[in-house]
Amino acid sequence: GEDVEQSLFLSVREGDSSVINCTYTDSSSTYLYWYKQEPGAGLQLLTYIFSNMDMKQDQRLTVLLNKKDKHLSLRIADTQTGDSAIYFCAESQGQGGKLIFGQGTELSVKP
Amino acid sequence: GAVVSQHPSRVICKSGTSVKIECRSLDFQATTMFWYRQFPKQSLMLMATSNEGSKATYEQGVEKDKFLINHASLTLSTLTVTSAHPEDSSFYICSARGGDKEAFFGQGTRLTVV
Repeated sequence: GEDVEQSLFLSVREGDSSVINCTYTDSSSTYLYWYKQEPGAGLQLLTYIFSNMDMKQDQRLTVLLNKKDKHLSLRIADTQTGDSAIYFCAESQGQGGKLIFGQGTELSVKP
Repeated sequence: GAVVSQHPSRVICKSGTSVKIECRSLDFQATTMFWYRQFPKQSLMLMATSNEGSKATYEQGVEKDKFLINHASLTLSTLTVTSAHPEDSSFYICSARGGDKEAFFGQGTRLTVV
């Protein structure tokens, strides 16, 4: 079945780059997403990438996709304390399809 | 992005009572709404998918008689937790999408059953 895996924790210092990794199993995934969840809140879509793309950059965020290895990463440049949150990767078949989420990576940014 | 409003944000109820959670799309017509449940420090688990005007499709293991979903209009879906028990305490999140566009999430509802 479909499965999405992430490491659970990441700690970085303010100003450093953060790299959050995700692997998925469904080779028919067409859209891969990164969401941010702050404590007690819903999910905020940060960015997404279509499966025929290798890389997408949006300001401080860079998404890399290795479709062969089914590996997705999110790089946050110049990480700030306000970036501390839980980051979920998710995949779907089609942009409006059912989302399968990873367990979430808790990013802690230390001053 | 589009706005999805979920209410209440937090509710405490007694065992055996029912609780209704509302999910509204404020600036678009949501043809499909999704309901998720999230346990502490865990991922979101899809409970059900509802299309406007039709019955919800529940994921395996989710009791449809316990978690009643109504999607009567293009801007409103409700989740009613019937005869709630402490093990139903959780964070419930809805998301809504219009057509094949991306889904937007509500702020979530923290349910505590005492």
